Amino acid sequence: QKEVEQDPGPLSVPEGAIVSLNCTYSNSAFQYFMWYRQYSRKGPELLMYTYSSGNKEDGRFTAQVDKSSKYISLFIRDSQPSDSATYLCAKGRTDSWGKLQFGAGTQVVVTP
Amino acid sequence: EAEVAQSPRYKITEKSQAVAFWCDPISGHATLYWYRQILGQGPELLVQFQDESVVDDSQLPKDRFSAERLKGVDSTLKIQPAELGDSAMYLCASSLNQRNEQFFGPGTRLTVL
Repeated sequence: QKEVEQDPGPLSVPEGAIVSLNCTYSNSAFQYFMWYRQYSRKGPELLMYTYSSGNKEDGRFTAQVDKSSKYISLFIRDSQPSDSATYLCAKGRTDSWGKLQFGAGTQVVVTP
Repeated sequence: EAEVAQSPRYKITEKSQAVAFWCDPISGHATLYWYRQILGQGPELLVQFQDESVVDDSQLPKDRFSAERLKGVDSTLKIQPAELGDSAMYLCASSLNQRNEQFFGPGTRLTVL
């Protein structure tokens, strides 16, 4: 079993809709969580990170962590065609900083 | 804006040949990472450097892969001999230190024929 599981999609939504992305993870110790966005033929770029359960907002993006269910989510409000990309969730451990484990990524397509 | 540089961007080689990838991290970044991303999968860490020292290479196939960061700045990842299953995107990332955000380069797309 992979430590981070993510539905590969693709997920197609109309412009202006809310995009909802989810990951589940195993192994609970010393976790922190990240969401990356990866455009085609480019390297991933960090969108958000969080260490604790609850919600964290940054503009149109909200990251949600539920440690009791081992579930992490990313919501994108008012989606734009420029949000079309692959979204990767990742987790790390505070006892081995920098060693990230990524999900497979969910491809999102926002149609005008 | 500072970026992680990688070259070449694309590499096509035949199996059993040697290939090498180069990475120049953002200036001042002490930590450097090499990842492999197979199509349709997330990046997988191959090796992590802190300055010139290897911190983690547990997922590096050491029979054919090698990585070095001799002066603690730029880095080279080598595969010898290349196998068909090595076809993937090889990503380099750097961070100020191990606890900081990782910035990724554009990657080198390797195709082994």
